[in-house]
Amino acid sequence: DQQVKQNSPSLSVQEGRISILNCDYTNSMFDYFLWYKKYPAEGPTFLISISSIKDKNEDGRFTVFLNKSAKHLSLHIVPSQPGDSAVYFCAASARETSGSRLTFGEGTQLTVNP
Amino acid sequence: DTAVSQTPKYLVTQMGNDKSIKCEQNLGHDTMYWYKQDSKKFLKIMFSYNNKELIINETVPNRFSPKSPDKAHLNLHINSLELGDSAVYFCASSRRGSEAFFGQGTRLTVV
Repeated sequence: DQQVKQNSPSLSVQEGRISILNCDYTNSMFDYFLWYKKYPAEGPTFLISISSIKDKNEDGRFTVFLNKSAKHLSLHIVPSQPGDSAVYFCAASARETSGSRLTFGEGTQLTVNP
Repeated sequence: DTAVSQTPKYLVTQMGNDKSIKCEQNLGHDTMYWYKQDSKKFLKIMFSYNNKELIINETVPNRFSPKSPDKAHLNLHINSLELGDSAVYFCASSRRGSEAFFGQGTRLTVV
């Protein structure tokens, strides 16, 4: 039972343009959402998070949007840079009941072309 | 200074062997985890410890036994290794309710 889904296994964008990565979830108990970036042969690196009481969180070039009614979140990267090429994982937790236990999506490979 | 470090990075071993993966964090976090990334690239939680106490134990064969000698260390011991245990194992740590920091991973190959 996949509670967090990233339906696009890959995304290719031109340098300087916007990258939009999407994520859907099914568990209404999730109240904290995170995005991680992963390079080959390295561990996932935390990028940005959002609590369920917000609908937007911004950090530099990265913005996460949360639509609770649709159980959908997205990560916007603008402008995209070649160094952003990596696998991006969406993750969610139900902090009230499960603490920091993360449920991950299957990842989206982002390729930013120069 | 590596925040979450795990050793070894690569481990190749024969079926039936027993092996351990070590993890240490210097972030002062109370909670540590083991995650497994299988061949389909899914990252799934295996165990979680909070202040040396086991708080999450997913449906993992009892051949896998985590041990936390103190809150900065969480080791994973695997008995009687099977081919299906081949995966990348990630250690992580966090403060409760906050983002987790991951180690670089241990690629385990059972032959």
